[in-house]
This record gives sequence, C-alpha cells and structure tokens, in this order.
Amino acid sequence: QITLKESGPTLVKPTQTLTLTCTFSGFSLGTSGVGVGWIRQPPGKSLEWLALIYWDDEIRYNPSLKSRLTITKDTSNNQVVLTMTNMDPVDTATYYCAHSSKFDYWGQGALVTVSS
Amino acid sequence: QSALTQPRSVSGSPGQSVAISCTGTSSNVGGYNYVTWYQQHPGKAPQLIIYDVNRRPSGVSDRFSGSKSGNTASLTISGLQAEDEADYYCCSYAGSESFYLFGTGTKVTVL
Repeated sequence: QITLKESGPTLVKPTQTLTLTCTFSGFSLGTSGVGVGWIRQPPGKSLEWLALIYWDDEIRYNPSLKSRLTITKDTSNNQVVLTMTNMDPVDTATYYCAHSSKFDYWGQGALVTVSS
Repeated sequence: QSALTQPRSVSGSPGQSVAISCTGTSSNVGGYNYVTWYQQHPGKAPQLIIYDVNRRPSGVSDRFSGSKSGNTASLTISGLQAEDEADYYCCSYAGSESFYLFGTGTKVTVL
C-alpha cells in the first residue's frame, strides 16, 4: 500500500524559505522508474506542478519557479524534501507530494500560509 | 506555458452523461499521449481517474472514460451519480522544458 504524507510549517513570513518533507511508504525511490513530485494548489484555485525527482537523481522543475526551488531525496529514510526560497503571500497554498509521473497516489496535503 | 483550458463548470442530471474538455496546444496535449485526469472532492487530495489519455487505474469506475482529438482531450462521465459531484483537473506532459501542465479545473454539478 502506497502512502505519502507532507510535513512542514503551516506559517512562513514573506522572504523566508519554505522547507517541506514528503515521507512515504509502500515504494522505494531506489527502484528503477520511480519518482516523487510536488504540486500545489492555492485556495480556491487550480493545481500547479512544482518539481519531480526520479530514482536516478534526474530532477525537473517548473520553469517559472525553477530559480526558487530545490528538490532532494533521502532514499534510506523514504523522504523527499522541497525547498522554496523567497516566499510571498501569493505562494499561500496546499502543497502536495505525489507518487510517480502519473501522480497516482497523493499525500493529504499541507496548507502553508505566507503572512507577516 | 499557460494552463490548459477547461470549462469552469458542467452539470447534468443523475444518469446522464457529461463531457469535460481540456484544450492545449501541439506542445502539450496534442504532442503527447500523456494526459491524466484527476477528481477532487472538497477538502480532499486529487485522485487519479484517467492516465495516458484513456487508461483507467484499477478500481476506477468504467463510467469514466478519456479521449483526445488534436489539441483537446476530453473526460466523459457516463451514468452521472451524486458522488461524481467534484472538481476535475486535466494534466498533460509538455515536453522536457515545461514538463507538466494542469488544466484550469471544472466543477461538475449533479442536478
């Protein structure tokens, strides 16, 4: 059974850096073909793909946010970490991590509010 | 690249069929057979219901079907049920530079 769960701060101040952790079970990022992605959803709005990391360390970023994003993996601990720098109120959203390039399993989401 | 375009809302009576369009360009929807659809109930995470344009994951009702013509993908819900009332999002692979684009989302209302 594949499960994912996001964790991190619920509130960050403008200009701060956000660090979110996705802890998963039921699969390994050491297995060929496996990937974990991050997607966010501002309140009442659509979804936006952020980043994706694969088992072989291939990384892809949303071009519009690439300069602010870093995604890393800890295969031993079944975790993927996303950092986003220079947070702004418009970055207020629920942040999801999801399994594979099809996003076939999702975490419950973590609401992050950016406010001073 | 801009988000894929979906109708803001569609509605239908129980038992009817509804279709949701997802319009992109030849750089995304039209260029690859990697379109996925997600269902999202209020306060919940999205759930994959269609992948690779027209494939259903195990456990997803066969009332959901997907198709594509040119730069437009479509999701059809047949035999509409109350539980189908939700938001639906399409997503397409958009090449090695943009990678993934989501649609603007469609609210399905069961009358």
